[in-house]
Amino acid sequence: QQQVKQSPQSLIVQKGGISIINCAYENTAFDYFPWYQQFPGKGPALLIAIRPDVSEKKEGRFTISFNKSAKQFSLHIMDSQPGDSATYFCAAGGGSNYKLTFGKGTLLTVNP
Amino acid sequence: NAGVMQNPRHLVRRRGQEARLRCSPMKGHSHVYWYRQLPEEGLKFMVYLQKENIIDESGMPKERFSAEFPKEGPSILRIQQVVRGDSAAYFCASSPGQGAYTGELFFGEGSRLTVL
Repeated sequence: QQQVKQSPQSLIVQKGGISIINCAYENTAFDYFPWYQQFPGKGPALLIAIRPDVSEKKEGRFTISFNKSAKQFSLHIMDSQPGDSATYFCAAGGGSNYKLTFGKGTLLTVNP
Repeated sequence: NAGVMQNPRHLVRRRGQEARLRCSPMKGHSHVYWYRQLPEEGLKFMVYLQKENIIDESGMPKERFSAEFPKEGPSILRIQQVVRGDSAAYFCASSPGQGAYTGELFFGEGSRLTVL
């Protein structure tokens, strides 16, 4: 199975709050787990990515937590800002497969 | 602009017409991917191509859809005899050759197809 399940479908957070988006995968051959950010009318852009040799990766306000045994990973956005309002996609790929399998996306709205 | 270039950005077709979407990968990239995006459906993989070769077309509908990436020129996604269900945003992404591959895909801004 190549499926990647993402939740929640939508999320509303107050400015300064923490946004958390979760993903689960099935294929144990996956070894690359990126998060993409997409603004309306634009293409997805890589936000942050992790490989399974580490359990956490932090870049500024964005952190990926990875649980290999549970086959789950999550994106945490600290001190969320209105400019973070976008759709976020988790994805998985790797092994001998160069394509990425995406979750269905989470529409994040950060209220001022 | 050295990014992935897609055109047209918007395309309107009537049922039964043909749609051709073009994608020029980033400079130095030899791998191209096409994804389709429907509202609340995320990005669905369609096809993965290298120059003059289709590597993986497992996400392509069996009929009416075809893709190519010629030795010279852009990659083209072709949809024949379009139907209303083909209305979607089609995104192209590129990556460098296997030796330099990091996993990251670089996306264009998409082509939005509307079928009347």
